[in-house]
Amino acid sequence: AQSVTQLGSHVSVSEGALVLLRCNYSSSVPPYLFWYVQYPNQGLQLLLKYTTGATLVKGINGFEAEFKKSETSFHLTKPSAHMSDAAEYFCAVRFAFFGNEKLTFGTGTRLTIIP
Amino acid sequence: DARVTQTPRHKVTEMGQEVTMRCQPILGHNTVFWYRQTMMQGLELLAYFRNRAPLDDSGMPKDRFSAEMPDATLATLKIQPSEPRDSAVYFCASGPGPGDSPLHFGNGTRLTVT
Repeated sequence: AQSVTQLGSHVSVSEGALVLLRCNYSSSVPPYLFWYVQYPNQGLQLLLKYTTGATLVKGINGFEAEFKKSETSFHLTKPSAHMSDAAEYFCAVRFAFFGNEKLTFGTGTRLTIIP
Repeated sequence: DARVTQTPRHKVTEMGQEVTMRCQPILGHNTVFWYRQTMMQGLELLAYFRNRAPLDDSGMPKDRFSAEMPDATLATLKIQPSEPRDSAVYFCASGPGPGDSPLHFGNGTRLTVT
């Protein structure tokens, strides 16, 4: 069965520290992988996506993610957290079987930045 | 920047009343999705359309919810009658199709049923 798991519903880091948000997926077909960010009272905004090719993907706001097929992971990182990064982050997967358009979302990780 | 537009942004209604939420997808996108977000359940897919045809509404309570696309520029989600447990944020998203194309989300309709 295809699924996506985000480890840690809440993560707190100090301003300037490394941000690491974890995402693992389970799939029998190649996945397309996405990270979205949601700020309060707003919709989900695309941070970055992985398709094929380079496994390290750079996104907006200094975030990047690395696709590791052997670990079925797509963890999101940022070298130095900023107060404005406080938000909820969702990993999403589109499983690449014919005609599939649906995104499967993880349960989200709320990121808190400590001044 | 092209955006998905949802109206209203907020809706407060009494139990038993009809609620209609509207969504204008991005021009040229041929898929439209309705999601519901709550603290307890997270993001739930309610229904989705391709080229205005409903493809999957298995996530939607059939007895009270209905989703339609009268034309390519408008998607609607109706609840009749509404119940307090329907209180949530409802998101519309549109996309250009399968593969690596992401979904684009509106800012949601926050529904409160008293």
